[in-house]
Amino acid sequence: GNSVTQMEGPVTLSEEAFLTINCTYTATGYPSLFWYVQYPGEGLQLLLKATKADDKGSNKGFEATYRKETTSFHLEKGSVQVSDSAVYFCALRRGQNFVFGPGTRLSVLP
Amino acid sequence: GAVVSQHPSRVICKSGTSVKIECRSLDFQATTMFWYRQFPKKSLMLMATSNEGSKATYEQGVEKDKFLINHASLTLSTLTVTSAHPEDSSFYICSARDRGITDTQYFGPGTRLTVL
Repeated sequence: GNSVTQMEGPVTLSEEAFLTINCTYTATGYPSLFWYVQYPGEGLQLLLKATKADDKGSNKGFEATYRKETTSFHLEKGSVQVSDSAVYFCALRRGQNFVFGPGTRLSVLP
Repeated sequence: GAVVSQHPSRVICKSGTSVKIECRSLDFQATTMFWYRQFPKKSLMLMATSNEGSKATYEQGVEKDKFLINHASLTLSTLTVTSAHPEDSSFYICSARDRGITDTQYFGPGTRLTVL
């Protein structure tokens, strides 16, 4: 079946530190891959996505590259800010169905 | 701006009552909407797929008589939690599928249900 695995959190970083949140997936065929962010008390917001192998999604300084050979879609940001503190969900989509990872909580300290 | 809205954003009710949550697509018609449930500090679990004009498709383990879904129009789906109990307390999130050029799903802001 389809599944998404993310690194365990919480992740705590100082402001301006480099961020990596690992995400790997298992899927039949070629899914689209997504990163969603959830701020406290709010719903999910699409952060970035990639629809085919070697595509790079980017938004607000965050990047992730669809790596078919390693079935990965790791999220990176060169310099995090306090406002990036949130829960990040990696997800895949096959057809119209989403499968979400467990989420990784990020705390950025000033 | 938000393209999918949910109402209410928060609701507190007594055990045994029923609660209705609305999900609306604001800028597009959505023949398909999805209902998710999120437990504290957990991921989203798909509960059901709501199709306009037909019965919803429920995921395994989700009680269809407990969680009634009605997709009455191309812009509105409702989830009714019947005879709510404290274990139904959760964060409920809907998404709506825009079958336009990008075939994108948009998520609502969520509804926090607390059953006393």
